[in-house]
Amino acid sequence: QKEVEQDPGPLSVPEGAIVSLNCTYSNSAFQYFMWYRQYSRKGPELLMYTYSSGNKEDGRFTAQVDKSSKYISLFIRDSQPSDSATYLCAMSGENDKIIFGKGTRLHILP
Amino acid sequence: EPEVTQTPSHQVTQMGQEVILRCVPISNHLYFYWYRQILGQKVEFLVSFYNNEISEKSEIFDDQFSVERPDGSNFTLKIRSTKLEDSAMYFCASSPVNTEAFFGQGTRLTVV
Repeated sequence: QKEVEQDPGPLSVPEGAIVSLNCTYSNSAFQYFMWYRQYSRKGPELLMYTYSSGNKEDGRFTAQVDKSSKYISLFIRDSQPSDSATYLCAMSGENDKIIFGKGTRLHILP
Repeated sequence: EPEVTQTPSHQVTQMGQEVILRCVPISNHLYFYWYRQILGQKVEFLVSFYNNEISEKSEIFDDQFSVERPDGSNFTLKIRSTKLEDSAMYFCASSPVNTEAFFGQGTRLTVV
């Protein structure tokens, strides 16, 4: 089983819809959970960072972590065409390297 | 807003040549990383660096690779004898406390 699983998509949704992106993981030592956005041939841009289980909201973005299910989600409300990008989940343990998912390609249709 | 800067943005080199990729991490960050992304694939960890030494490295980071922090601001990745399969985007990242990392825009390395 891969350490971090993420559906590569592509995921196409109409403008204004709520987007749900998800990852599962197998390593119970992961404590820090991140979502990055990556445009083509650019570096990953940190969107959200959460520690342990729970929800965190920042503007139109909400990150959820369920450590009991080893499942994390990113929700994007009122999606815009400029949200079209690849979204990478990432996670790490204490004093450990960050492990990335493969990324989900998201297309927001005008 | 502070950012990680990487140079050059694109490097073309012949197989067998040495390349040095340069990075200026965010000031006051203590942890530094190199990651690699082969076209169409996931972002892969190469090496982490803290307190002037390597703290962790992946199996990809073999004897052909080395990292240095030659002064208080730069952080470099050297590939001694490049191979075709080293062609990828190389990302430098830095972190204040070894949790979330902030990435540069990357150097696209093309080995011909």
